[in-house]
Amino acid sequence: QSALTQPPSASGSPGQSVTISCTGTSNDVGSSNYVSWYQQHPGKAPKLMIFEVSKRPSGVPDRFSGFKSGNTASLTVSGLQVEDEADYYCMSNAVSSVVFGGGTKLTVL
Amino acid sequence: EVHLVESGGGLVQPGGSLRLSCAASGFTFSSQWMHWVRQPPGKGLMWVSRVKSDGSSTNYADSVKGRFTISRDNAKNTVYLQMNSLRDDDTAIYYCVWFGAPLWGQGTLVTVSS
Repeated sequence: QSALTQPPSASGSPGQSVTISCTGTSNDVGSSNYVSWYQQHPGKAPKLMIFEVSKRPSGVPDRFSGFKSGNTASLTVSGLQVEDEADYYCMSNAVSSVVFGGGTKLTVL
Repeated sequence: EVHLVESGGGLVQPGGSLRLSCAASGFTFSSQWMHWVRQPPGKGLMWVSRVKSDGSSTNYADSVKGRFTISRDNAKNTVYLQMNSLRDDDTAIYYCVWFGAPLWGQGTLVTVSS
């Protein structure tokens, strides 16, 4: 039950694109179609941005997209906006458990 | 409207116990797996435990196995987390979560300190 590996920080200027990676193993990300991404602003509960690797819930802008290759999932935020500055967590189903990434703090410069 | 409302958090000494409750409303609670997720102050999210819709199956993170017990009462639309042998590193906001929606509660703070 090791945490998924995310870079601690990422940054970009408004309008740019940024990609956050999430690396697991063949026991979680590599074998799961249930990889999700959450956005969390300070003092708030997490908000689902991507589910089942690449699907967007209604209301989430299409600037957010997800992808998976092998044991690594990724979240891309295009056309960065100031309000995208937040912490981002990946999550995956695993054998008899659920595992989160350590989180990535996205800064919009 | 769908809601999850946690309660039961507070300050407890190391080695002590607490029971968290999570009251659900607005959806078919008895059909859903329910989870607990925690977040230490200033740190990341960590999955804690889950219970099957009928309560017949449970799973735990290694760090809480043997100390925490998840259960549910579908007649009361409530899920519980019994936490025993609490340690300093159990200090966190504890969220009740229905990942299927997803739906998160507002969280309840557990502080383990002497």
